[in-house]
Amino acid sequence: EVVLTQSPGTLSLSPGERATLSCRASRTVSSNYLAWYQQKAGQAPRLLIYGASSRATGIPDRFSGSGSETDFTLTISRLEPEDFAVYYCQEYGTSRIAFGGGTKVEIK
Amino acid sequence: EVQLLESGGGLVQPGGSLRLSCEASGFNFKSYAMAWVRQAPGKGLEWVSAIVSNGYNTYYADSVNGRVTISRDNSKDTLYLQLNSLRVEDTAVYFCAKVPTGSWYGFFDYWGQGTLVTVSS
Repeated sequence: EVVLTQSPGTLSLSPGERATLSCRASRTVSSNYLAWYQQKAGQAPRLLIYGASSRATGIPDRFSGSGSETDFTLTISRLEPEDFAVYYCQEYGTSRIAFGGGTKVEIK
Repeated sequence: EVQLLESGGGLVQPGGSLRLSCEASGFNFKSYAMAWVRQAPGKGLEWVSAIVSNGYNTYYADSVNGRVTISRDNSKDTLYLQLNSLRVEDTAVYFCAKVPTGSWYGFFDYWGQGTLVTVSS
């Protein structure tokens, strides 16, 4: 089972700033089977990115994913007030999928 | 509009059992794999179990293997999770989630709002 390590644990930024979130896998993620989710307090997660870089339906283009093999990045180009939330990466290349521990993006 | 509505959560004593349900609507349920993901209070997401579209293959996380059974009734557009021998550490919100393919493995394109399971004496 792959282990996903997200960093930083917390990111303190202001609206309008750029956010860069990291997800590192303990081994190569096959076929870039890596997804990103956003979760706000008291809500279900929402799919943002799949296949490492494909945006899900309805996701604004300020969200972008990149990376390959063991190192992946979620970038939010300009933070909007509604973007402050917790973000999780997920690997789905094996039958036992794994989630990262999450990165909280908070208002500075 | 895709909707997933979980039910069946509640307070149960250690060693007890609970059956969760997830009613699906807005899509062709029988064509897609489904899964359960849980989140302990203040913690991250943990995949629990998954089932392929026709129900023939099921998958479990090591943490619940042998204590949990996933099933589905495609005639009722409903997913189930039978939880047995519950432990305090099973306390969590349990989310039902849809996979965008009929087979496992996958990511989750739609999620329900979750149902809370509390295991406590």
